Amino acid sequence: NAGVTQTPKFQVLKTGQSMTLQCAQDMNHNSMYWYRQDPGMGLRLIYYSASEGTTDKGEVPNGYNVSRLNKREFSLRLESAAPSQTSVYFCASRDNSPLHFGNGTRLTVT
Amino acid sequence: DQQVKQNSPSLSVQEGRISILNCDYTNSMFDYFLWYKKYPAEGPTFLISISSIKDKNEDGRFTVFLNKSAKHLSLHIVPSQPGDSAVYFCAAVWGTGANNLFFGTGTRLTVIP
Repeated sequence: NAGVTQTPKFQVLKTGQSMTLQCAQDMNHNSMYWYRQDPGMGLRLIYYSASEGTTDKGEVPNGYNVSRLNKREFSLRLESAAPSQTSVYFCASRDNSPLHFGNGTRLTVT
Repeated sequence: DQQVKQNSPSLSVQEGRISILNCDYTNSMFDYFLWYKKYPAEGPTFLISISSIKDKNEDGRFTVFLNKSAKHLSLHIVPSQPGDSAVYFCAAVWGTGANNLFFGTGTRLTVIP
């Protein structure tokens, strides 16, 4: 049982480049989430998907887009990366249970 | 405005002693609280939770206390072990809905052997 799987683990981008962070869960959860973690800021919600076919903005959505591809997969896209998007990104999923997190993607934008 | 606050960014404790991590919240509608533990290069993992109808929940070495009148919860780890060294996040839940979970900023616990 893999839980929540995120790819890639590490990524370095130049300012203006684009990329997609992938997330898949095998727990049949309806809700999926993208967070970013920055020093002193805790975990901040970027976007979430309450169920397949729906997505909503969280606390810090600017500069990001998401796609809930199916029940298992929820991707996060940076169309034009900026240094302020240097962070560790976590995907999570749940139903009526505590959040289950992936192991994160460490993104550096230079 | 941060609804869940962890005012101590870091805490150091000797092995075998008690670790007390604190969390304050501002929204009296929160009805469920959780603690997550995060090791470096890993995602946060659920540790322990408490409903607002209780004032204490215990799981082995970990106990969470809730003081609703003070809008304060704390996590006690007794005895502390070096493997407990991690970042601890408290979180609070308000009602139902997918976006009802709010995290604190985290406290880094270091247990010194």
